[in-house]
Amino acid sequence: DSGVTQTPKHLITATGQRVTLRCSPRSGDLSVYWYQQSLDQGLQFLIQYYNGEERAKGNILERFSAQQFPDLHSELNLSSLELGDSALYFCASSLTGTSGTYEQYFGPGTRLTVT
Amino acid sequence: ILNVEQSPQSLHVQEGDSTNFTCSFPSSNFYALHWYRWETAKSPEALFVMTLNGDEKKKGRISATLNTKEGYSYLYIKGSQPEDSATYLCARADSNYQLIWGAGTKLIIKP
Repeated sequence: DSGVTQTPKHLITATGQRVTLRCSPRSGDLSVYWYQQSLDQGLQFLIQYYNGEERAKGNILERFSAQQFPDLHSELNLSSLELGDSALYFCASSLTGTSGTYEQYFGPGTRLTVT
Repeated sequence: ILNVEQSPQSLHVQEGDSTNFTCSFPSSNFYALHWYRWETAKSPEALFVMTLNGDEKKKGRISATLNTKEGYSYLYIKGSQPEDSATYLCARADSNYQLIWGAGTKLIIKP
């Protein structure tokens, strides 16, 4: 158990809908990262937040947004969903966002299925 | 090398044999190199974070080396066991501190 929690575990929704994925980092970690893993693809970095502020953006679509709250939990919002958004979404946390020397701890993931 | 590249893409190894695979990365603006192990139906789990040229790290039967000047890292597994079957990911942090991930090496241990 990494100490990172994600809810829900599974989510099934229809095209055009909007969903919110939630992540609570490990106690003490200030940085949260969101990743997408589509079928037969590797980990795609979406976005990073550090202590409430956006720190870095990866391959995140404009239909997707995220935020990190004062209690450090984070939410990833996916809107106007398309079939191709079906994927496993991981959240990870690390101690800081200002160094690449801290390992990331991954949550169990949220499996999103868009029908 | 512009991206983080891992080779081979997949590897079948007999139980008990030792094996190794490679992570290649741009050597400029290097900050750190991460190795993660990702078992099927689980989440990636950190193995090592290395920062210095010549670094060697070890965890049980798994070890890793780092050459920042030529831009590569090796991961070694000694005496492979079925529980070592997983995808091994490496990721490079640059001076912007962001991790660029490789596509992974899928290791399958044959009993």
